[in-house]
Amino acid sequence: GAVVSQHPSWVICKSGTSVKIECRSLDFQATTMFWYRQFPKQSLMLMATSNEGSKATYEQGVEKDKFLINHASLTLSTLTVTSAHPEDSSFYICSARPDPGGTDTQYFGPGTRLTVL
Amino acid sequence: KNQVEQSPQSLIILEGKNCTLQCNYTVSPFSNLRWYKQDTGRGPVSLTIMTFSENTKSNGRYTATLDADTKQSSLHITASQLSDSASYICVVSEVSQGNLIFGKGTKLSVKP
Repeated sequence: GAVVSQHPSWVICKSGTSVKIECRSLDFQATTMFWYRQFPKQSLMLMATSNEGSKATYEQGVEKDKFLINHASLTLSTLTVTSAHPEDSSFYICSARPDPGGTDTQYFGPGTRLTVL
Repeated sequence: KNQVEQSPQSLIILEGKNCTLQCNYTVSPFSNLRWYKQDTGRGPVSLTIMTFSENTKSNGRYTATLDADTKQSSLHITASQLSDSASYICVVSEVSQGNLIFGKGTKLSVKP
């Protein structure tokens, strides 16, 4: 149980294009999901908290107009990287907090490798 | 600032050997401490979780210890296997907001 999937697992795009990444909780509902970014040899860095039915909460320094988050249902959150640039190339990982659950329980997806040319 | 520091940054061991990874944290108060295994290009997978009142937790060949007084944790891997090659991340949960504070991880390479 507690499986989180991401799609696609990797994507290569041209600079200036937009890329959408999906995060799904397969066997549980999640009102709250999280989006992280991980650069090589670095730890996961929280970008934003995605809440079903309301606006996402972004961490300091993360541009909300560039990283659009839509939590469409209790099992799906999407992250759209708009007008992607090479510096956006990174490993994007989502996690989901099951309903109901402890405030700090998160199950992680397998990640999406984004490469912007 | 709440921090989680891990050591060593990287480690190479021979298959079958044991190893111990360290985690020091300044997060206080905290609700729990987790160790995750992250294979290259994959998301983290939980190995152990300990609350502040627990001293040790085992999961197969993985044994985590916690000293809440000194704010130190360790992950001991016994009889290492090639498949243990991965990054091991220490994660501490804040009590106040439930935020997860991630360490940078220890990259373990197990050689035949």
